[in-house]
Amino acid sequence: AQKITQTQPGMFVQEKEAVTLDCTYDTSDQSYGLFWYKQPSSGEMIFLIYQGSYDEQNATEGRYSLNFQKARKSANLVISASQLGDSAMYFCAMREADYGGATNKLIFGTGTLLAVQP
Amino acid sequence: KAGVTQTPRYLIKTRGQQVTLSCSPISGHRSVSWYQQTPGQGLQFLFEYFSETQRNKGNFPGRFSGRQFSNSRSEMNVSTLELGDSALYLCASSRPTGGGQETQYFGPGTRLLVL
Repeated sequence: AQKITQTQPGMFVQEKEAVTLDCTYDTSDQSYGLFWYKQPSSGEMIFLIYQGSYDEQNATEGRYSLNFQKARKSANLVISASQLGDSAMYFCAMREADYGGATNKLIFGTGTLLAVQP
Repeated sequence: KAGVTQTPRYLIKTRGQQVTLSCSPISGHRSVSWYQQTPGQGLQFLFEYFSETQRNKGNFPGRFSGRQFSNSRSEMNVSTLELGDSALYLCASSRPTGGGQETQYFGPGTRLLVL
């Protein structure tokens, strides 16, 4: 069965430092997509970054990068130069049957609460 | 471009009542998905609609239902509310962006409290 595991319930990071949020996944599908979302206390899920299982390069979006290690089934999010506004809950999610699949169903991990300290 | 909108944002109901939540997707998005978020169960997929047809359904009782209209707006309904239905209900819309990629964009959610 598909599963996303986030083993860090909470983390602290100093402002301007980099932080890595861990995510491992389990799937038997060869085609899948991995996503990271940020959820501030307001509740809205904000899309950060996407990595397809066939993508050879690690995805990057501004200060966000995804460290994709397919053999280890991990997709860690790296946030560089942390800002106070980065304090939020971060969710890793997976969509199976990517690349033209017939569903957008996402399976989420339990999330990591990140606190950025000044 | 306007994002996904959800109404109402907050709702208080009592056990046994029913509730209807509304979601307006981003213009041009034809796929709408619904998720339930609770402290105990986390984020769980409810269902997905595409072109007015339910394309996928999560493991929820039949009290949870939804529909999508021709303008892609979607509603979900929960009948005979139970205390455990108290949750943040999130709607997401998406459209293909090429290469098989399709990213879901979420609305602000509806916080439902069942008393």
